[in-house]
Amino acid sequence: GESVGLHLPTLSVQEGDNSIINCAYSNSASDYFIWYKQESGKGPQFIIDIRSNMDKRQGQRVTVLLNKTVKHLSLQIAATQPGDSAVYFCAENLPNTGNQFYFGTGTSLTVIP
Amino acid sequence: NAGVTQTPKFQVLKTGQSMTLQCAQDMNHEYMSWYRQDPGMGLRLIHYSVGAGITDQGEVPNGYNVSRSTTEDFPLRLLSAAPSQTSVYFCASSLADLSYNEQFFGPGTRLTVL
Repeated sequence: GESVGLHLPTLSVQEGDNSIINCAYSNSASDYFIWYKQESGKGPQFIIDIRSNMDKRQGQRVTVLLNKTVKHLSLQIAATQPGDSAVYFCAENLPNTGNQFYFGTGTSLTVIP
Repeated sequence: NAGVTQTPKFQVLKTGQSMTLQCAQDMNHEYMSWYRQDPGMGLRLIHYSVGAGITDQGEVPNGYNVSRSTTEDFPLRLLSAAPSQTSVYFCASSLADLSYNEQFFGPGTRLTVL
């Protein structure tokens, strides 16, 4: 999994399997989190978000889990498809910082057909 | 809607040269920002603006200037380029409060400073 400031880890999964991408955040006061997908040569794209008063949030084929006790965030992708191959990274927002987010370095997901 | 557009896509500069990276959005978003993305590091905020006429510094503002004369445009200026500014630059926009609104990113500008 990734953490803010660490080098880019990689994850390879077979098409159709589920993917789990992890993110460790450092500040227990962070109250809002976003997962982004970034395909090669493109800008980041919003996937799903979660606020600190929630433990879980589901979207279409994606689920984000938040464990505030250990400051851990995960992104689960169901039935991974080749089009899911990209870099995924999390971002955290600290309260009282306005619109400033701190971004993780990302995890590179490769889907094997 | 075109969304967030950035020009140029690629740029090579010599040390000491100046240039402006253009960013425009057609979604009537109040909030715009500039990030740089370097290998092995997360996106880092350079400057941001919460509306026309208002700008503020982010995490890494040194060497960059911005202005926001209109809601649509948010150019980033490098006054005297340095090799340390070699990076991929992303512009983003959103409605006023990021906590409740999705941030849309442009396709990026890849800048190399020799």
